[in-house]
Amino acid sequence: DGGITQSPKYLFRKEGQNVTLSCEQNLNHDAMYWYRQDPGQGLRLIYYSQIVNDFQKGDIAEGYSVSREKKESFPLTVTSAQKNPTAFYLCASKMFELNTEAFFGQGTRLTVV
Amino acid sequence: DAKTTQPNSMESNEEEPVHLPCNHSTISGTDYIHWYRQLPSQGPEYVIHGLTSNVNNRMASLAIAEDRKSSTLILHRATLRDAAVYYCIPLSASGSRLTFGEGTQLTVNP
Repeated sequence: DGGITQSPKYLFRKEGQNVTLSCEQNLNHDAMYWYRQDPGQGLRLIYYSQIVNDFQKGDIAEGYSVSREKKESFPLTVTSAQKNPTAFYLCASKMFELNTEAFFGQGTRLTVV
Repeated sequence: DAKTTQPNSMESNEEEPVHLPCNHSTISGTDYIHWYRQLPSQGPEYVIHGLTSNVNNRMASLAIAEDRKSSTLILHRATLRDAAVYYCIPLSASGSRLTFGEGTQLTVNP
């Protein structure tokens, strides 16, 4: 089945540690996205990538890093520089064309203690 | 990115129609209008999109104003499963940036 997969669903880390969230898609989509969602809030764009080996900062990129070495994969690293990393993280992918829909993963809930 | 304005919350009764408005007065002529919804603790899911004319699919209808400065998502018969946050997103031709506003929390009463 085609889709977009995020893993793990729940993740716990100690403060000061970097952590990498996985996002994989087998939809042959060009663009991939990472969002952060805090309780009761909307989605905020962290990073996005339109092609392999290229990505752009979103609205809240500080304290995060990404890579896009393969079309199917867009991992997000939450670094120790991120002041408040506990949140729900969502990954999405879509084709370039404006009249195509985005598909979202089920999210990773990160808790930093 | 075009700015959007949506009501924070709306309420409906089951099996009644729901009209969810979105104002996007800064939209450009080539921006598509997309709608997504998000159920609790899940990723958003696509609902519908359009450019100029009204659109229908199995989930909903999208009515776009003639000047394209606003649109309305129509759920013809709300069910309890439609309770979600609904997001209206203009998608720009200048890039593939996909940004969300705060959306509208729809409550459906039995």
